[in-house]
Amino acid sequence: EVQLVESGGGLVKPGGSLRLSCAASGFTFSSYSMNWVRQAPGKGLEWVSSISSSSSYIYYADSVKGRFTISRDNAKNSLYLQMNSLRAEDTAVYYCARDRYSGTRGDWFDPWGQGTLVTVSS
Amino acid sequence: NFMLTQPHSVSESPGKTVTISCTRSSGSIASNYVQWYQQRPGSSPTTVIYEDNQRPSGVPDRFSGSIDSSSNSASLTISGLKTEDEADYYCQSYDSSNARVFGGGTKLTVL
Repeated sequence: EVQLVESGGGLVKPGGSLRLSCAASGFTFSSYSMNWVRQAPGKGLEWVSSISSSSSYIYYADSVKGRFTISRDNAKNSLYLQMNSLRAEDTAVYYCARDRYSGTRGDWFDPWGQGTLVTVSS
Repeated sequence: NFMLTQPHSVSESPGKTVTISCTRSSGSIASNYVQWYQQRPGSSPTTVIYEDNQRPSGVPDRFSGSIDSSSNSASLTISGLKTEDEADYYCQSYDSSNARVFGGGTKLTVL
């Protein structure tokens, strides 16, 4: 069974840092791009970042560019999100999601983990 | 970047059919595939339609997707509504700048 399990969320003060992890199992992790998607309380989904299978291609949403860093360790079947200079508006549930490539016309996310809550507050 | 606009909410009775729209603000809706995700309260999103009109295994054929170039929009249609279909639904597509774009979500109430 394909499984994604996030961890590392918690309460952090504005300006602080946090590192999220996503442990993958049930598939060949090193063959897939991966993504982080977040959802603020009571709000919709927002794509955060994507990383290719070999880490050669990395993309960020404008809202997190320069503050967040996505990375992966294929030997450990793990995905990470280093979040620095956190703001109140970064408060959200953060999901990791496996990328499903559809060629030049885009990609989609499946499956998703259960999410980890990040709260940025003083 | 473009935006995907969805109605905030829709409601319909059990057994009926409902359609949720997703309108792309700029660029052709046919340029990039559209996906639809279902998110039940307290749960993670799951895919109900990918690549415009494809259903993942396990998703009932009551769910269907389409695109309409004349209105530059995608649609998710759910027929034979069941109370278990009550959820938030999000459309998603890909931007040529390598960003992934979600619609704002539509709350479906089955009453």
